[in-house]
Amino acid sequence: NAGVTQTPKFQVLKTGQSMTLQCAQDMNHEYMSWYRQDPGMGLRLIHYSVGAGITDQGEVPNGYNVSRSTTEDFPLRLLSAAPSQTSVYFCASSYSIDEQFFGPGTRLTVL
Amino acid sequence: RKEVEQDPGPFNVPEGATVAFNCTYSNSASQSFFWYRQDCRKEPKLLMSVYSSGNEDGRFTAQLNRASQYISLLIRDSKLSDSATYLCVVNLYSGGYQKVTFGIGTKLQVIP
Repeated sequence: NAGVTQTPKFQVLKTGQSMTLQCAQDMNHEYMSWYRQDPGMGLRLIHYSVGAGITDQGEVPNGYNVSRSTTEDFPLRLLSAAPSQTSVYFCASSYSIDEQFFGPGTRLTVL
Repeated sequence: RKEVEQDPGPFNVPEGATVAFNCTYSNSASQSFFWYRQDCRKEPKLLMSVYSSGNEDGRFTAQLNRASQYISLLIRDSKLSDSATYLCVVNLYSGGYQKVTFGIGTKLQVIP
């Protein structure tokens, strides 16, 4: 099993550009989540999904969209990148929201 | 008050030492608790769940104190490979709503 995969590993954007961070899992987990991690702050939940077709907002959803058309994939879209979105983004999946498996992360810089 | 609070450290301890971290949480309705380990520039990985009855896995022991609203992690006989950041996680479920809150992490450096 590959577990949770994320692409790209690194990305540099200019302010106003849009992009999609990809996340895929091969463990048949229903729960998938997106977090951002910033220095001096804990991981913060952006959006999560409890199954295909079902998504909900987390703590910091503004500026991000998600969709869940399949169990395996949970892409995160940045609509119009801002410097405040410079961060490390982690995708996670789990059987329940409790014990989560994280992907390797995407390091995003917005200039 | 932050929902989940951890001392960021760093805790610098010699090999073989015993070290303990605490994590306090503010919402008494919180229902499940975990410790994750995160190596530098890597993803968090689940270390162990935390139960009221305590949970031991080799050199690691986790405890939950609901009355005082904190969880603890004890590491005995520290190894160089234990150097990492330890994140506590507190989960809350209420009426279909779920909230996962991570602490900022406590950095441990085990020195030879």
